[in-house]
Amino acid sequence: DAKTTQPPSMDCAEGRAANLPCNHSTISGNEYVYWYRQIHSQGPQYIIHGLKNNETNEMASLIITEDRKSSTLILPHATLRDTAVYYCIVRAPLGGGSQGNLIFGKGTKLSVKP
Amino acid sequence: EAQVTQNPRYLITVTGKKLTVTCSQNMNHEYMSWYRQDPGLGLRQIYYSMNVEVTDKGDVPEGYKVSRKEKRNFPLILESPSPNQTSLYFCASSQHLGSNQPQHFGDGTRLSIL
Repeated sequence: DAKTTQPPSMDCAEGRAANLPCNHSTISGNEYVYWYRQIHSQGPQYIIHGLKNNETNEMASLIITEDRKSSTLILPHATLRDTAVYYCIVRAPLGGGSQGNLIFGKGTKLSVKP
Repeated sequence: EAQVTQNPRYLITVTGKKLTVTCSQNMNHEYMSWYRQDPGLGLRQIYYSMNVEVTDKGDVPEGYKVSRKEKRNFPLILESPSPNQTSLYFCASSQHLGSNQPQHFGDGTRLSIL
């Protein structure tokens, strides 16, 4: 799976949009970009994923650049409950023998402040 | 509500006393997996299961056993727990083993082995 690079920490004001960047310059054409978050030792929570097109769901939007070398997770109106560590994961297609394990890096610690 | 349920959430026990951590999912998922999370080491996969009666080792299987007798359950068994198995454990599941399938995690089980 391709390596990802994220800033270690970010702050965001409550009610504003939180834009979390992720670089994945070695991504292959068939690798998906996934975002998870973990709120203080709770189970990682799936947020969104995409391959080429931008994606939106009830939690967030995912913007993937045209060359697919970077992406941005957008939380449109951050709340205090969005304070968490956010992980960007690039996931390769799985062939025979693959474990299916997700490789979590260090992520970005997002602090939403009142 | 779709969910992955782990029990117990917290357990303090002593070296050598067999214990089982249960994991159950209500989404009819084929793929299930166990991870442990330790400070500075991220999440590491212990065992995974592609379907009923199909299990395989992950990256750190030593000291653990699993079984998959029915689709919804994937218990993690520590036959003779040792202090180095003190950790935060997460069970995860997905529809099947595919890169376009998000994994959903339980809330975690914090084990302390004295």
